[in-house]
Amino acid sequence: NAGVTQTPKFQVLKTGQSMTLQCAQDMNHEYMSWYRQDPGMGLRLIHYSVGAGITDQGEVPNGYNVSRSTTEDFPLRLLSAAPSQTSVYFCASKGGNNEQFFGPGTRLTVL
Amino acid sequence: AQSVAQPEDQVNVAEGNPLTVKCTYSVSGNPYLFWYVQYPNRGLQFLLKYITGDNLVKGSYGFEAEFNKSQTSFHLKKPSALVSDSALYFCAVRDSNSGNTPLVFGKGTRLSVIA
Repeated sequence: NAGVTQTPKFQVLKTGQSMTLQCAQDMNHEYMSWYRQDPGMGLRLIHYSVGAGITDQGEVPNGYNVSRSTTEDFPLRLLSAAPSQTSVYFCASKGGNNEQFFGPGTRLTVL
Repeated sequence: AQSVAQPEDQVNVAEGNPLTVKCTYSVSGNPYLFWYVQYPNRGLQFLLKYITGDNLVKGSYGFEAEFNKSQTSFHLKKPSALVSDSALYFCAVRDSNSGNTPLVFGKGTRLSVIA
């Protein structure tokens, strides 16, 4: 199993550009989520999904969109990037034993 | 509402000494509690969890944590610290009665083990 994979690992955007952060898992987990990590802020939940076709907002959803068309994939879209979205983004999935698996992260810089 | 507090931003300990990283939580029902570790430029790795049963939970790399319901705490411990234990540690909680809701994470504690 590859676990949770994320692409790209690094990305630099200009203000106003859009992009999609990709996340995939091969563990057949229903639950997936996106977090951002900022210094001194810990992990903050952006969006999550409890299964294909179902998404919900987390603590900091503004500026981000998600969709869940398949169990495996949970992409995160930035519609119009802002410098405040400079962060490290982690995707995670969770199985029935409550253990959450994290991807390696995407380091995003918005200029 | 669920919440987690990690009262120390930084913990320094000498190699070979015991270490403790503190975590307290707040949930309305019974807690599911977790510890994760993050090494530099890496994602979070699962260390251990408390769901039910024995209050002392043993996890990866020699770490253990004790669930204390009266003090609403779940402190992470290791009898003898290694330099390689230096990392960022996160405590997380979920209410067992809240369905398939997200984990709530603390802000993290940076552990530095000095040789």
